[in-house]
Formats: sequence, C-alpha cells, structure tokens
Amino acid sequence: DGGITQSPKYLFRKEGQNVTLSCEQNLNHDAMYWYRQDPGQGLRLIYYSQIVNDFQKGDIAEGYSVSREKKESFPLTVTSAQKNPTAFYLCASRYRTGNTEAFFGQGTRLTVV
Amino acid sequence: AQKITQTQPGMFVQEKEAVTLDCTYDTSDPSYGLFWYKQPSSGEMIFLIYQGSYDQQNATEGRYSLNFQKARKSANLVISASQLGDSAMYFCAMMIFQGAQKLVFGQGTRLTINP
Repeated sequence: DGGITQSPKYLFRKEGQNVTLSCEQNLNHDAMYWYRQDPGQGLRLIYYSQIVNDFQKGDIAEGYSVSREKKESFPLTVTSAQKNPTAFYLCASRYRTGNTEAFFGQGTRLTVV
Repeated sequence: AQKITQTQPGMFVQEKEAVTLDCTYDTSDPSYGLFWYKQPSSGEMIFLIYQGSYDQQNATEGRYSLNFQKARKSANLVISASQLGDSAMYFCAMMIFQGAQKLVFGQGTRLTINP
C-alpha cells in the first residue's frame, strides 16, 4: 500500500539530547514537508524540500535540521538548541507539479523531559 | 509573503445544520491553491477539498463546498447537513505554485457538532 509513514508514534527524550524523527513515503512524491503542532494550535512549517539534496527553511527552522538524500526519506532532527521541543510533529508529501493535495503521516508526539 | 487567517477558534452547531468555517488569505501571487483539511482527535490530517485560483467554479466534494470569493480573498468551507462525526479541527491552507511551493496553514477552527 502506498503511503507516508512516520516513526515512532511516541518519543521520549531527555533534555539536551538530539533526536531524529523518521518520515518515509512510497508515493513517488517530489516534495516533502515537516510541521510542528502545539496543543490546540495550527501547523507551523519547519522545513520543506522540493527535490532530492535541496531543502528550504520554513517559519520556525531554528533548532531543527533536515536532510533529503533520497526521494523517499526526509528525516527531521530536533537538536538541543530547540528551546521547547515537546510537540506533535507531522510530515507531509505531495507531487511537485499539478494542483494536488499534500498527504500526511500519522505524526510523532515528542516529549522532552 | 503568504498568510492564512482563520478567525473562529471554535464553532458549535446542531446536528443536521449547515456550518460555514471562515478562511481569508493574503498573497500577491496570481497562481495559488487553497486546501481544507480535517483533523480528528486522533491527529491524522484528512484532505477535504481544493480550490485553485484560476478555477471558475466553486469546488464541491460531497457535503463539502468551498465558497471562493477571490476579490475578498476568502475561501470559506461550507459543510451541509452536519453529522456528529464532523466534530474535529479544521484547517485552511494555501500554496503558491510559483517558486518554492511553501504550504502554509491557518490556526484552525475547532468544530463541535451537538446532538
């Protein structure tokens, strides 16, 4: 089945540790996106990528890093520089051309203690 | 810069009534798309409906329709005959199709359907 997979669903980390969230898609989508969602809030764009080996900062990129070495994968690293990393993280992908919607993964809920 | 605004933090509606969720946007680019997503308490994002800036007709998908008023820069979602299962967060989003294709979301509206 085609889809977009985020893992793990729940993640707990100690303060000061870097953590990497996985996002994999087998939809052959060109573009991929990472969003952060705080309780009762909207989605804020962290990073996005239109093609392999290229990505752009979103509105809240500070304290985060990404890579896009393969078309299928767009991992997000939450670094120790991120002041308040506890949040729900959503990954999305879409075809770069055409008026198509973005498909989302199930999300990763990160808790830093 | 592109911006999406949803001014209704919460809406309460009786079952079977129609409901309109507001969305206004700001962009100077002529080519863009507007999307609505539903987010139930499980957290998944469900695509509902799409409207392109050059589309002449308002988009419809089953009980969902989009009231697109280009001059006013509004793209309101209308849900007809609401059901209890419609209770969720609803997000409006916009993408500029030129350049980097950044997909930006509004703050969302929490819709509660009362029996």
